[in-house]
Amino acid sequence: DQQVKQNSPSLSVQEGRISILNCDYTNSMFDYFLWYKKYPAEGPTFLISISSIKDKNEDGRFTVFLNKSAKHLSLHIVPSQPGDSAVYFCAASAAGNQFYFGTGTSLTVIP
Amino acid sequence: GAVVSQHPSWVICKSGTSVKIECRSLDFQATTMFWYRQFPKQSLMLMATSNEGSKATYEQGVEKDKFLINHASLTLSTLTVTSAHPEDSSFYICSARDWAGVGYGYTFGSGTRLTVV
Repeated sequence: DQQVKQNSPSLSVQEGRISILNCDYTNSMFDYFLWYKKYPAEGPTFLISISSIKDKNEDGRFTVFLNKSAKHLSLHIVPSQPGDSAVYFCAASAAGNQFYFGTGTSLTVIP
Repeated sequence: GAVVSQHPSWVICKSGTSVKIECRSLDFQATTMFWYRQFPKQSLMLMATSNEGSKATYEQGVEKDKFLINHASLTLSTLTVTSAHPEDSSFYICSARDWAGVGYGYTFGSGTRLTVV
């Protein structure tokens, strides 16, 4: 049972434009969320996190939005750069326990 | 910031041999570490939760006698893949959890690419 879902396996965006990556979850007990990106054969690189007490968290070009009522999470990258091309995973955790990961969205930023 | 060192980053071993992967928190103490596994084009799946000084908790379907986890200190957890087979070839990642005062913080290792030939 996939508790965290990323329904778009891939996304292509022009350099300089906004990239929006989406994530849905089913467990209402999740209270901590994060996004990370991953290059092939490397470990994940943490990007940004958000706790359930917030609905937005911003860090430079990256902003995460949380809609608890819709159980929806999104990552906005503005402006997108070619170096942002990677696979992006969202993950959710409840009460400090293990993370459940989405299946990832492969982002390609076209120069 | 918090750093987790995972070693080795890649390893090739012969079928039937054992491989040990280390996950070390460098500047914080981690009472809990998580071990994940990722197959190509799939999500990371939790294998087991490792608590310092106690037995690991394995997820359903993960063979505890095959994937031995030891968390003997607050800064080190090891995963040993015993009698490795080609189907064990995968990407293994650890994550360490620490209390950041206002909530938990999580730090991931850089991962280990295991290839069994």
